[in-house]
Amino acid sequence: DGGITQSPKYLFRKEGQNVTLSCEQNLNHDAMYWYRQDPGQGLRLIYYSQIVNDFQKGDIAEGYSVSREKKESFPLTVTSAQKNPTAFYLCASSKQRQGSIHNEQFFGPGTRLTVL
Amino acid sequence: AQKITQTQPGMFVQEKEAVTLDCTYDTSDQSYGLFWYKQPSSGEMIFLIYQGSYDEQNATEGRYSLNFQKARKSANLVISASQLGDSAMYFCAMREGDDYGQNFVFGPGTRLSVLP
Repeated sequence: DGGITQSPKYLFRKEGQNVTLSCEQNLNHDAMYWYRQDPGQGLRLIYYSQIVNDFQKGDIAEGYSVSREKKESFPLTVTSAQKNPTAFYLCASSKQRQGSIHNEQFFGPGTRLTVL
Repeated sequence: AQKITQTQPGMFVQEKEAVTLDCTYDTSDQSYGLFWYKQPSSGEMIFLIYQGSYDEQNATEGRYSLNFQKARKSANLVISASQLGDSAMYFCAMREGDDYGQNFVFGPGTRLSVLP
């Protein structure tokens, strides 16, 4: 079955530690995205990538880093510079080509990160 | 400025009744797409329905329909015959333009509670 997987589902981190969230998709989508969601809030874009080896900052990129070495994978690292990292993190992907405005984003199940 | 506005933080509806969730948007593009997503308490984001700016007919998908009023820049979601499983957060989103690289913008969401 095609889809997006995120791991782990729950993650606990001590203050000062970096942690990496995994996101893998087998939908053959070019574009991948990372969002942060705080309780009762909407989605805020952290980083996005439209093609392998290229990625762009979103609205709240400070304290986060990403890589896109393979089309299928877009891991997110939450660094110690992120002052308030406790949140729900969602990864998404979509087709991305001219004329593809109607293509929806497909989401993974999310990772809930808690800083202890 | 907010590109997507959802003015109803929370809504209640009786089971089997219809409910309308409001969404207004702001764009100067002629070509754009509007999406609705459902987020149950599990956290996954489920795509519900899409409306393109050039579509003359309102979109429908089963019990979901989109009341698209282009001049008023509104794209309200109508859920008919509400079910208990419809209780969730609902997000309106927009993708602007038809060029490569246009990203999604999400609204703050509406929490729908279906009462038995």
